[in-house]
Amino acid sequence: DAGITQSPRHKVTETGTPVTLRCHQTENHRYMYWYRQDPGHGLRLIHYSYGVKDTDKGEVSDGYSVSRSKTEDFLLTLESATSSQTSVYFCAIGGGIDYTFGSGTRLTVV
Amino acid sequence: QKEVEQNSGPLSVPEGAIASLNCTYSDRGSQSFFWYRQYSGKSPELIMFIYSNGDKEDGRFTAQLNKASQYVSLLIRDSQPSDSATYLCAVNPILTGGGNKLTFGTGTQLKVEL
Repeated sequence: DAGITQSPRHKVTETGTPVTLRCHQTENHRYMYWYRQDPGHGLRLIHYSYGVKDTDKGEVSDGYSVSRSKTEDFLLTLESATSSQTSVYFCAIGGGIDYTFGSGTRLTVV
Repeated sequence: QKEVEQNSGPLSVPEGAIASLNCTYSDRGSQSFFWYRQYSGKSPELIMFIYSNGDKEDGRFTAQLNKASQYVSLLIRDSQPSDSATYLCAVNPILTGGGNKLTFGTGTQLKVEL
């Protein structure tokens, strides 16, 4: 996906460990978002950012924190990973018809 | 709680037929509406958006919006096997601009059979 990169693409981690996912954009877009996608639940917003150091909670923010110290990077941290956080995580940038998703990170918590 | 409802499917249609995908939403204040296509293992990609009541056509795709009844639909004409994917409906409380916190439905799986 042009302009937006997620890392890692896949990760397996153990319960109780901290995990950080990275979203990097080259579009200089103000707005960035983290979603998780689970069967039967669709895409749900975790956190979003409307500028450097400006973030807010989404629908399913418990157990997650975010940081945005630079326009291009939006980090999602699972403080202490649980099996319920096994999911596919998507970062998105933009607004309206410019909403673009990254390729996703598949996280498995064992 | 704001909700977007879709039939999970799978919806099976023969090649060349019209596929009709439906979505209802609960927030009457919703202003803009989007259809995303998501192939298995891939990220969602925008295929249609609509703001005003009525129909909007783009190639083989037509989006239909009825705000009074709070539903939005997507028609795919001359369905092709390459249209087989999950279609996500998304709703936005604002019309345009940034800070869009989209609310997504769970998606409808479409299968186009030869």
